[in-house]
Amino acid sequence: QVQLVESGGGVVQPGRSLRLSCAASGFTFSSYGMNWVRQAPGKGLEWVAVIWYDGSNKYYADSVKGRFTISRDNSKNTLYLQMNRLRTEDTAVYYCAKDGDSWGQGTLVTVSS
Amino acid sequence: DVVMIQSPLSLPVTLGQPASISCRSSQSLVHSDGNTYLSWFQQRPGQSPRRLIYKVSNRDSGVPDRFSGSGSGTDFTLKISRVEAEDVGVYYCMQGTHWPLWTFGQGTKVEI
Repeated sequence: QVQLVESGGGVVQPGRSLRLSCAASGFTFSSYGMNWVRQAPGKGLEWVAVIWYDGSNKYYADSVKGRFTISRDNSKNTLYLQMNRLRTEDTAVYYCAKDGDSWGQGTLVTVSS
Repeated sequence: DVVMIQSPLSLPVTLGQPASISCRSSQSLVHSDGNTYLSWFQQRPGQSPRRLIYKVSNRDSGVPDRFSGSGSGTDFTLKISRVEAEDVGVYYCMQGTHWPLWTFGQGTKVEI
């Protein structure tokens, strides 16, 4: 059974950094591309970033390009999202997702002074 | 970039009655491999999104057969044949054809 568990969310001031993690189990993590998707309070879903199964390619939404970095450690079955220069508009629940068919429970990031 | 437009954005429904949500894309979602990567997601209150339908009309495992997807090119539809109380939530269409970027519709809130 596929399980994705995000962690690392919290309250952070604008301009600061935060790193999210997503622990994966129940499937061969190293065989799948992985995504981050976020949802601002009361809003819809916004794709954030994707990383290839082997980490060789990474793509970002324009809204986070140059500030966020997606990475993975296949030896630890873990996906990461390094978020730098955070803005108030980055406030959202962040989900990791595998191929769209499996999602974590999400972790809330609140950017506020 | 591809834009996904859903309608209606709010859908009052009656238990036991059918319901339908439309999704239109600004570009064709037919991929060069011949597949159309259009998915539908359900997000119940307080829960993570759950995929219901992939590649236009394929139901995910465990999804009740009252949910069906149809369409082609730029026009797609999610139908619920007989709405049940547990179907309340927000439904999103998503394109994965113009990869690697996923694009979601605005969401349709289904309420009794």
